[in-house]
Amino acid sequence: AQSVTQLGSHVSVSEGALVLLRCNYSSSVPPYLFWYVQYPNQGLQLLLKYTSAATLVKGINGFEAEFKKSETSFHLTKPSAHMSDAAEYFCAVSDGGATNKLIFGTGTLLAVQP
Amino acid sequence: DVKVTQSSRYLVKRTGEKVFLECVQDMDHENMFWYRQDPGLGLRLIYFSYDVKMKEKGDIPEGYSVSREKKERFSLILESASTNQTSMYLCASTRGPAGNTGELFFGEGSRLTVL
Repeated sequence: AQSVTQLGSHVSVSEGALVLLRCNYSSSVPPYLFWYVQYPNQGLQLLLKYTSAATLVKGINGFEAEFKKSETSFHLTKPSAHMSDAAEYFCAVSDGGATNKLIFGTGTLLAVQP
Repeated sequence: DVKVTQSSRYLVKRTGEKVFLECVQDMDHENMFWYRQDPGLGLRLIYFSYDVKMKEKGDIPEGYSVSREKKERFSLILESASTNQTSMYLCASTRGPAGNTGELFFGEGSRLTVL
């Protein structure tokens, strides 16, 4: 069965510093992988997705993620954090079935310090 | 602009009350989902529907039911609310199998408090 593990429920960085949010997946089939962001009191919105094309995926707001099959990882990065990046981030994997249900990680809350 | 609309952003109910959470999407999506979000647990799937009048249980269906009478509307029902159902509820939708890469479109959530 597919699953994702997000290491670190809370991450704190300084404004301008590198953001690295970790996600490892388990999948018996070639996965579709996603990163979603949730700003306070809002629903989730898609940051980026990997669907077996390029392994380096660029998303919105300067975020990107690299699919590494050998490491079963899909870590999210941004070179320079901005205060507006403070939010909760969720990694997800598609189950690959007919309905393509998403299985979510437990989330990482990113704090950005001035 | 595509949209998933949840009718109630905040609700406060009493234990034992029947609660309806409504969700409407305007994207003609076949699949609709109800998730529950709790701190430290991420999103857990309650029920999903892949067609009108069709439904399947997710990971935590106990205490919940759903209704999908029209393609655009998916309702979550708590027959007898309990305090452990206090949570954020998120509705989402996506296309059917053809051309579906799994991207979900989410509503803004309904925060339910059961007293």
